[in-house]
Amino acid sequence: EAGVAQSPRYKIIEKRQSVAFWCNPISGHATLYWYQQILGQGPKLLIQFQNNGVVDDSQLPKDRFSAERLKGVDSTLKIQPAKLEDSAVYLCASSLGAGGGPYNEQFFGPGTRLTVL
Amino acid sequence: SQQGEEDPQALSIQEGENATMNCSYKTSINNLQWYRQNSGRGLVHLILIRSNEREKHSGRLRVTLDTSKKSSSLLITASRAADTASYFCALRGRGSTLGRLYFGRGTQLTVWP
Repeated sequence: EAGVAQSPRYKIIEKRQSVAFWCNPISGHATLYWYQQILGQGPKLLIQFQNNGVVDDSQLPKDRFSAERLKGVDSTLKIQPAKLEDSAVYLCASSLGAGGGPYNEQFFGPGTRLTVL
Repeated sequence: SQQGEEDPQALSIQEGENATMNCSYKTSINNLQWYRQNSGRGLVHLILIRSNEREKHSGRLRVTLDTSKKSSSLLITASRAADTASYFCALRGRGSTLGRLYFGRGTQLTVWP
């Protein structure tokens, strides 16, 4: 079974530039998550989709971050304009559903490491 | 805060020794999960323990949960160099229907050959 795919793996940009990340979840997984992991910290949820609808974006800095999940499959996360503090690894994860059962284990992609200069 | 706190922040042991990491939290949970993250790789789910469970095993891993003390421990027995990684506990709040996980800062485990 193919895992969660992300691209690019690495990205270096200058502050105030724009950047986009792409995620392809595991086939059949209805729930998709984007996390931000700053060096030395644990992942922090930015946004959660259930199919193509947003169910939790309370931690997403909406003035500069946006995300979409067209057709309930692939997703893109965009930062515009980027700030120095956005330097982090951006992780995408997917799960079958979002309920409280143990079967909704989240599977993570390898992440995109963003460096903002 | 809804996230867990792992202890110690860093742990260094020799191959063959056991490694114990702890996670403390403050909220009520539905379940607690442990993840591993190797350098350059994404997070890998290791084990999930529900709030009504006290202990679970998976291979060389043993997880305990004490909801009265709001703490969990992860024991890796007979450690190997390949176990070198960061280990995170992640909490799922009680009553959560959205699947949101709250991760701690992690424990960096180094296993020397």
